[in-house]
Amino acid sequence: DVKVTQSSRYLVKRTGEKVFLECVQDMDHENMFWYRQDPGLGLRLIYFSYDVKMKEKGDIPEGYSVSREKKERFSLILESASTNQTSMYLCASSLIGSGVEQFFGPGTRLTVL
Amino acid sequence: GENVEQHPSTLSVQEGDSAVIKCTYSDSASNYFPWYKQELGKRPQLIIDIRSNVGEKKDQRIAVTLNKTAKHFSLHITETQPEDSAVYFCAARELTGGGNKLTFGTGTQLKVEL
Repeated sequence: DVKVTQSSRYLVKRTGEKVFLECVQDMDHENMFWYRQDPGLGLRLIYFSYDVKMKEKGDIPEGYSVSREKKERFSLILESASTNQTSMYLCASSLIGSGVEQFFGPGTRLTVL
Repeated sequence: GENVEQHPSTLSVQEGDSAVIKCTYSDSASNYFPWYKQELGKRPQLIIDIRSNVGEKKDQRIAVTLNKTAKHFSLHITETQPEDSAVYFCAARELTGGGNKLTFGTGTQLKVEL
């Protein structure tokens, strides 16, 4: 069974703080993804990574950066958190392929005050 | 890049009725279309998918149809049950140098009423 875990379920931070969200998968997946989920906007891709140290911008990368130093771990970094980054953040992973399932983590509800 | 539109945003049906959710996509090169279900407080999970070389796929009470010419695909749920109540997301795979990138629709909140 694929397991994708995220470091926190709930997180409260202050404006201007540096925030780290961590995601770990245990199935040796090459691809990892960070999404944010907002009501009425669906799942929007922030960044994804198809290999260690490789990353590609998604649809809404502004204000975020990522790090993938090990295959199983993908971190999302908010350099200077702002209130408009209050959201649910979902990590996902998948094998490489033309049509393969993405497995999601439980999500981190981030509130920026 | 790819753009996926999903309708309706909310759908309420009586138990036992059918539910249909529709999506359109913009990139004719997209070739993989999954549907994810997200129950309240839980993570999205894949329920069915279809590839561009197939027009229809069924799995028990759920089916997906694809019209490549019109660039739209639909999810059909028959004999709905209360446990079908959830948010459903369609998605389209966008070809990119890095691999398996999905663009999701904005979601449909399905409520099955007793």
